[in-house]
Amino acid sequence: NAGVTQTPKFQVLKTGQSMTLQCAQDMNHNSMYWYRQDPGMGLRLIYYSASEGTTDKGEVPNGYNVSRLNKREFSLRLESAAPSQTSVYFCASSEWGAEGEAFFGQGTRLTVV
Amino acid sequence: GENVEQHPSTLSVQEGDSAVIKCTYSDSASNYFPWYKQELGKRPQLIIDIRSNVGEKKDQRIAVTLNKTAKHFSLHITETQPEDSAVYFCALRLPEQLTFGSGTQLTVLP
Repeated sequence: NAGVTQTPKFQVLKTGQSMTLQCAQDMNHNSMYWYRQDPGMGLRLIYYSASEGTTDKGEVPNGYNVSRLNKREFSLRLESAAPSQTSVYFCASSEWGAEGEAFFGQGTRLTVV
Repeated sequence: GENVEQHPSTLSVQEGDSAVIKCTYSDSASNYFPWYKQELGKRPQLIIDIRSNVGEKKDQRIAVTLNKTAKHFSLHITETQPEDSAVYFCALRLPEQLTFGSGTQLTVLP
């Protein structure tokens, strides 16, 4: 039982390059989330998916796109990376509803130069 | 979206003392209030949570209190130990979203 798995763990991009962060969960959760974590800013929600086939913007969606490929997988794409997107990215999943623990992946440290 | 404010941003305590972190929120629709701990370089993990029909919950040295009328909830850590040093996040859960506070860096001084 792996929980939530993110790839890659580290990535360096040049400004303007694109990349996709992958996330998969094996807990049969309906809801999945992408957060970015910057010093002093906490965890800010980029996009979320309440169920397979739906995605919605969070607090900071600009510059990102997402795909809920199936119930297990939720990917985050940077089409044209910018230095402001240098951050640690976390994927998380939980049962849908007003309660329930969220489980996080190990994070992706992205640097855009 | 839902706003949650967390204070203080940093907190230093002597080993054995207590630590208190407070969060306030604005949307009364929130009914679930979890707290997460993040050690350096690791992922956030749930340490305790409280539901809106409960005013206080304890788990060994940690406790959470909730005041729905005043829209605030707090994390209390008693008899702090060096391994409690970490960043702590409060959060609000709505059916579709999970929103976090900005975090508190707790340092327990030996």
